[in-house]
Amino acid sequence: RKEVEQDPGPFNVPEGATVAFNCTYSNSASQSFFWYRQDCRKEPKLLMSVYSSGNEDGRFTAQLNRASQYISLLIRDSKLSDSATYLCVVEQGSGGFKTIFGAGTRLFVKA
Amino acid sequence: DAGVTQSPTHLIKTRGQQVTLRCSPISGHKSVSWYQQVLGQGPQFIFQYYEKEERGRGNFPDRFSARQFPNYSSELNVNALLLGDSALYLCASSSRDSHNQPQHFGDGTRLSIL
Repeated sequence: RKEVEQDPGPFNVPEGATVAFNCTYSNSASQSFFWYRQDCRKEPKLLMSVYSSGNEDGRFTAQLNRASQYISLLIRDSKLSDSATYLCVVEQGSGGFKTIFGAGTRLFVKA
Repeated sequence: DAGVTQSPTHLIKTRGQQVTLRCSPISGHKSVSWYQQVLGQGPQFIFQYYEKEERGRGNFPDRFSARQFPNYSSELNVNALLLGDSALYLCASSSRDSHNQPQHFGDGTRLSIL
């Protein structure tokens, strides 16, 4: 079993749609959680951190369920510019870190 | 302010050779991490260095090594290159003065092994 698993893609959605990505992690001692976005042949860029209380940034909402070891990302009112690969990221350890990326979920938003 | 810078941007090597990749973190960042990304996969964690000490290591063979210098820049070395080492190598820096600090990535070095 992979340490971080994401929904298999690709997701093909029309503009304006709401889309949700899921991610599960295997190590219950994981401490920090993030969603990154990666455009084709570009470096990953931080989209948002994920907190137990849930957090929202404009059209994006992230949720963390530690009991179920589950992370989600919700994108509302999808834009063409949201087309990218979304990477779920989990950090383990304290005083030293191991950062685990999921394989990513590809999103295509079409006009 | 400059972001994370990596050099070279592209590199072609042959099997058995050795390679050194370089990374300069964002000014003020003391932590540098290295990742390998092959097409269609997420980045795979190789090393993390903080204050010049190795603080984390992924599941890579001993052919992979790294170090961090007093100015917090870092080098990744790979010996005895294999065809499977062909990938995008990403460097990321963070301040790491507390938990939950995001990482900032460089553009990467694209390594091709012939």
